[in-house]
Amino acid sequence: GAVVSQHPSRVICKSGTSVKIECRSLDFQATTMFWYRQFPKQSLMLMATSNEGSKATYEQGVEKDKFLINHASLTLSTLTVTSAHPEDSSFYICSATPVGLAGLTDTQYFGPGTRLTVL
Amino acid sequence: RKEVEQDPGPFNVPEGATVAFNCTYSNSASQSFFWYRQDCRKEPKLLMSVYSSGNEDGRFTAQLNRASQYISLLIRDSKLSDSATYLCVVDGLGSARQLTFGSGTQLTVLP
Repeated sequence: GAVVSQHPSRVICKSGTSVKIECRSLDFQATTMFWYRQFPKQSLMLMATSNEGSKATYEQGVEKDKFLINHASLTLSTLTVTSAHPEDSSFYICSATPVGLAGLTDTQYFGPGTRLTVL
Repeated sequence: RKEVEQDPGPFNVPEGATVAFNCTYSNSASQSFFWYRQDCRKEPKLLMSVYSSGNEDGRFTAQLNRASQYISLLIRDSKLSDSATYLCVVDGLGSARQLTFGSGTQLTVLP
């Protein structure tokens, strides 16, 4: 099946620093990847849609200058949380939809998530 | 009104019990529907897609009622390993296939 990896799985940082999270599709190509955030006991909330070779589309209320997304290749998207603050502490999950894999194009595959703690 | 609403839970059931989860969605134009399960501190994993005709996968049965904008998941003969949070998921509009997640229903199967 399609596999998505995320790195790092867990990060603890000081307030004011920037943190980069990588999302990779390991055995398929994805022109579109999605970034979600999940606070404790809440559902996943879509933050942005990452499009390979173009600018990301952000959901309402998500600051594009704070959450920088780069989708440089068909297998890699990165999310950088700039000047992180304690309220940014959350579980960040990416997902990707395979392109060209028969029977799989309607399914989103999720990465294992990155747990960010900002002190 | 939330776009996807689920039973608040939590559900605590004994092994072997049958349990049903319900979900309603607000966007009548939605085309694809799913149930995902999420274990504690893990990513969601697709459990099954939901079709208008209803579909079954072993002990799991999913049904969709487009007229009522209602989705259900039935788990029969529940196992300890079924303990998780079950997420009702509906696709969004447009070609990007954005998903909207319900807040989830927590299930604990007790020995």
